Amino acid sequence: SQQGEEDPQALSIQEGENATMNCSYKTSINNLQWYRQNSGRGLVHLILIRSNEREKHSGRLRVTLDTSKKSSSLLITASRAADTASYFCASTGEDTGRRALTFGSGTRLQVQP
Amino acid sequence: NAGVTQTPKFQVLKTGQSMTLQCAQDMNHNSMYWYRQDPGMGLRLIYYSASEGTTDKGEVPNGYNVSRLNKREFSLRLESAAPSQTSVYFCASKGQEMSYEQYFGPGTRLTVT
Repeated sequence: SQQGEEDPQALSIQEGENATMNCSYKTSINNLQWYRQNSGRGLVHLILIRSNEREKHSGRLRVTLDTSKKSSSLLITASRAADTASYFCASTGEDTGRRALTFGSGTRLQVQP
Repeated sequence: NAGVTQTPKFQVLKTGQSMTLQCAQDMNHNSMYWYRQDPGMGLRLIYYSASEGTTDKGEVPNGYNVSRLNKREFSLRLESAAPSQTSVYFCASKGQEMSYEQYFGPGTRLTVT
């Protein structure tokens, strides 16, 4: 079964607004990553946050991690139409040596121009 | 540098037919993965290969076999396709042992009728 759950499932905002997506997971993790998927394409890595980190920034992206609540959030500031995509969180467990990812169900973001 | 490539892009099979999905990466990565993505869901791991000559089952391996032909190539075979295997299949690779970021191919959209 999917480890991660994300909310909202879908989000529609205007260009220039901020978009916040949330992710919850069930077991202890080594790290959590966020990926973007444009329609009909493969996934592209956005950012990784380690279990001992609480916040990380990359350009217009801000990721937070709360290991006590087993949750993470992705904030995209000053959104653009080009940010329209599905966003997935993906975690790597503490006890796996294979570095395989367990994905959430994703948030579909629509940014209206 | 093409990254991760997959063939074919689209395929329609009848129930009971077999086929092999091909994946190749030119990044000299050790680890390779096969995932499936069903509508409105995140990716689920089918099989992975930590290095040339090794393969292991993921979350949903039933009905599939894999071959790690060499360091570059990792194929996924459906011996007797079923409608439940209708999905989009993604191949991914990962670099060094302590790296967690995965690089994804564009996907193969498979329909089994």
